[in-house]
This record gives sequence, structure tokens and C-alpha cells, in this order.
Amino acid sequence: QQQVKQSPQSLIVQKGGISIINCAYENTAFDYFPWYQQFPGKGPALLIAIRPDVSEKKEGRFTISFNKSAKQFSLHIMDSQPGDSATYFCAASERGAGNMLTFGGGTRLMVKP
Amino acid sequence: DSGVTQTPKHLITATGQRVTLRCSPRSGDLSVYWYQQSLDQGLQFLIHYYNGEERAKGNILERFSAQQFPDLHSELNLSSLELGDSALYFCASSTGGLGETQYFGPGTRLLVL
Repeated sequence: QQQVKQSPQSLIVQKGGISIINCAYENTAFDYFPWYQQFPGKGPALLIAIRPDVSEKKEGRFTISFNKSAKQFSLHIMDSQPGDSATYFCAASERGAGNMLTFGGGTRLMVKP
Repeated sequence: DSGVTQTPKHLITATGQRVTLRCSPRSGDLSVYWYQQSLDQGLQFLIHYYNGEERAKGNILERFSAQQFPDLHSELNLSSLELGDSALYFCASSTGGLGETQYFGPGTRLLVL
């Protein structure tokens, strides 16, 4: 499987701050880039996703920025809240390869009140 | 609640044994994906079934096998279990076709002693 590299591994942010998580990929055939949020003991839940034909997508406090030439994408969480404390995974998939998700290593986010 | 159900929630067994994990996809979803989540390997794709047929395989061990039944539920069979097989196993479903969004179940936590 092609790699997706995610950083940082852990992140501590004050309430109201901006959380930024970065991912880089190698396979230029990837055409779908979702972010998943996972709470302890739960399965990953889709947060927001982007395709490479747009450079930014915003849903509420969550924004994905996508840089196709650099093969990088990032998640910004604005006005971070303690309830956002979770593990976040970036992922990528290729429609022609069956849509299987290749995940980054995950970022454990803690938002301090 | 994603609409994907997995049983059992927890499973404790011994090395050398065989277990079966079960997944029921969301109503209407034809695709089922299996993923393994472990501390050292992260979230890794195992296998994908679409409407009863195997579509893609990831780094799935030969000791592992899966199938999707006519009612679209899927089973992941793990045999000759080793300590290193201890992990969370997630099933995800999607509509299949061009629908990339995968909805994850709550997972089965397998502990091999």
C-alpha cells in the first residue's frame, strides 16, 4: 500500500485555539481524501472529505486545505473545543483500486479547557 | 450510530484457535471493507467485498479469510491465531460503485492469549 504520512502524532491545544494536522501522500492516483475522527472504544467516523479538484473545503469549524502539487493536505479545526479531543486520521483512496482507504498514522488531539 | 453493526464486541481466545467476526452493513450498502487497527501498524485495509464478490485485497494474512453472503452481511475468519493478531477489527460499508464514503462499525476487539 502507498503511504500516507501524518503529523504531528499528538497535539495539545487550548480551548478556542486552532488545531492543525498535516498529511502527505505519495500516490498521485489518489482521488479522494477523507478525515476520520475516532473516540476511544468507537469506530472511525467520517468528519469531512475532499477531492483533488478543489483546494479547500469547509464544514462548520472544520476545514480541509489541499495542495495537489505538493501532495499534501491538512485539517484545520477552528475554535477547538474539549469535545474535539479525539484521534484524527487522514486517509486517501483511489477509485480505480477499489476505494480501499490508506490511512495516516493518526493524531491524538487534546483540547484543554 | 453509523448503521454498521459488528459482533461480537469483544473476543478473547487462545493462540492456535479460530474465530469468526461478523459485520452487517448499512441498509442498501453493497460494499463491505475490513480493516485491522493495531498499535504498531495503525489502521490497515484487509479486504473488500462488493455484492458477494471479492474486489480487493490488502495485506491480509493467508490465515485470514472473508466472505460476503447473499444478504450482504460479511464474516472475517481468523485461524491459527497468534499473539500478534490481537487488534481491533473494523468493518466499513459503502454504497459501492462510485460512492467512496465508508461508514465504520464499532469494531470487534480481539485479544489472543
